[in-house]
Amino acid sequence: KQEVTQIPAALSVPEGENLVLNCSFTDSAIYNLQWFRQDPGKGLTSLLLIQSSQREQTSGRLNASLDKSSGRSTLYIAASQPGDSATYLCAVRGEHASGSRLTFGEGTQLTVNP
Amino acid sequence: GAGVSQTPSNKVTEKGKYVELRCDPISGHTALYWYRQSLGQGPEFLIYFQGTGAADDSGLPNDRFFAVRPEGSVSTLKIQRTERGDSAVYLCASSRPSGREGLNEQFFGPGTRLTVL
Repeated sequence: KQEVTQIPAALSVPEGENLVLNCSFTDSAIYNLQWFRQDPGKGLTSLLLIQSSQREQTSGRLNASLDKSSGRSTLYIAASQPGDSATYLCAVRGEHASGSRLTFGEGTQLTVNP
Repeated sequence: GAGVSQTPSNKVTEKGKYVELRCDPISGHTALYWYRQSLGQGPEFLIYFQGTGAADDSGLPNDRFFAVRPEGSVSTLKIQRTERGDSAVYLCASSRPSGREGLNEQFFGPGTRLTVL
């Protein structure tokens, strides 16, 4: 059974800092990995999707990397801003019979202080 | 609409009642998913539709939960004899059909917050 772990559970940084969020998964047989952002009381906003054949994806100040063989992904946020404050979730889509589903981590709650 | 929509946004019900939650996927997305998110947790998979049929319902917790998608677009999640433990945010997502699974990015709706008193 796929398990996804995110470290740290919570992170507080001053504005302008670069930061890294970590995600690990136990089964490396995945189609892709997605990073999401969730604001309080809201749904999920997709940030980046990395296919299993890719090593990284970039969007603006965000860069996500994937090391499939070791079961790890990182989300790098450059020059953090207070508006980046949210919970960040990673999720993997497995290759097995139930490969349609996303398996999520519990998220990292990020606070960027002005 | 441009995104996935869900109604109602909030639903308060009493223990033992029946509830229906609705999801409108992005136009053209044949795949539709339901997830459930408890406070402080990541979403957990419930059921997946490809077109009108439930391709994977292994995440439904018990037979009180049922979902339909009769015309391959709108889906309804139905919960019978609700229990306090059913209180959570119910999220719906949709994705494009693709022969390459790696490209199937899922887009989520805002969720329905269900509270069972």
